[in-house]
Amino acid sequence: GENVEQHPSTLSVQEGDSAVIKCTYSDSASNYFPWYKQELGKRPQLIIDIRSNVGEKKDQRIAVTLNKTAKHFSLHITETQPEDSAVYFCAATDSWGKLQFGAGTQVVVTP
Amino acid sequence: DAGVIQSPRHEVTEMGQEVTLRCKPISGHNSLFWYRQTMMRGLELLIYFNNNVPIDDSGMPEDRFSAKMPNASFSTLKIQPSEPRDSAVYFCASTPGQGANEQFFGPGTRLTVL
Repeated sequence: GENVEQHPSTLSVQEGDSAVIKCTYSDSASNYFPWYKQELGKRPQLIIDIRSNVGEKKDQRIAVTLNKTAKHFSLHITETQPEDSAVYFCAATDSWGKLQFGAGTQVVVTP
Repeated sequence: DAGVIQSPRHEVTEMGQEVTLRCKPISGHNSLFWYRQTMMRGLELLIYFNNNVPIDDSGMPEDRFSAKMPNASFSTLKIQPSEPRDSAVYFCASTPGQGANEQFFGPGTRLTVL
């Protein structure tokens, strides 16, 4: 089955700096890679996703890149703000839609 | 749309008791997922359904856990008997279609087994 590894487990950044979270996956058949943000006590919510036929996708201050050959994908948050503080999860899924989540990255943005 | 609805939001029970968690997916979504979240194990997929049929239950930890989806608008996750190690937040999520799409999570049920 799919195995997703996520790094780092915690990330502290100064407000205004960039944050980068990296994930690797094992199943070459995986074709959908979402990123979820989970605030304390809340549900995970999708912030951006990318499919295997695309190398990069951007939405305002967040972007995701995918390298299918190397089987890794990354989340980039620019101009971080305190409200970006949360746990971020990467995931990979097969054609059935079964998601395998990474362990999560606790991001802390300090003013 | 109210989104995915879960009940109860919080459940405190004693070891050995039966626990039933409930989920109503978003109308029109035909795939439903049950997850368990703990600090130690993160987000784990327990089981998922497509068109009310269980597709993969390999994540169900043991026979004490069972899940049903009697119709397109309702699913239950039952634990019998419950144990302290079952304490976690249980999320239900739904998605339209069968393929890989955004999963919409419910608010979760925080289960505490004493």
